[in-house]
Amino acid sequence: DTGVSQDPRHKITKRGQNVTFRCDPISEHNRLYWYRQTLGQGPEFLTYFQNEAQLEKSRLLSDRFSAERPKGSFSTLEIQRTEQGDSAMYLCASSPGGGKYEQYFGPGTRLTVT
Amino acid sequence: GQNIDQPTEMTATEGAIVQINCTYQTSGFNGLFWYQQHAGEAPTFLSYNVLDGLEEKGRFSSFLSRSKGYSYLLLKELQMKDSASFLCAVRANDYKLSFGAGTTVTVRA
Repeated sequence: DTGVSQDPRHKITKRGQNVTFRCDPISEHNRLYWYRQTLGQGPEFLTYFQNEAQLEKSRLLSDRFSAERPKGSFSTLEIQRTEQGDSAMYLCASSPGGGKYEQYFGPGTRLTVT
Repeated sequence: GQNIDQPTEMTATEGAIVQINCTYQTSGFNGLFWYQQHAGEAPTFLSYNVLDGLEEKGRFSSFLSRSKGYSYLLLKELQMKDSASFLCAVRANDYKLSFGAGTTVTVRA
């Protein structure tokens, strides 16, 4: 068990560009979550998947954001036409399901939009 | 909406005990979690309470009172490496977590 991994760890982009982040959950975990965290705040929920189905999206997730988990394993989060307000740490977490609710977080992708 | 409150900062001495309180008002309740987050790192799971009472895990204990909407995390025998942000999170009606802003604990020698 290697834990949740995320790639890249850091991303600097110019306003208006598109970016894509990847998350690989703990194997056998059927639930996968995306959160966003800004300095001095706790993580804010963005969206989550059970297997390949996206079950909920936060109102924070504008039309510029899209997430996929095509085969129920890894997931991608894409942000189109990035804005400076998108600068944050994007965290991915997974949980095993089956009555076990604790979520295990990856190291995050720090996005800076200039 | 969900409202989760915890103190912003706490300072304690190495070897001492610190108690971090968390109060919540949420649209439902299906469990309360505590996470530790060192600067620049991901949150690490510490504890999960769904029933009232105290759960003890080594130097860390977590308490829950559902009727009062209240939890605390107790850190004993503080060590310098315990300096971090501690996050209280509630699972309301589904699987996602709603987090407080975190309590930064500084351990001094």
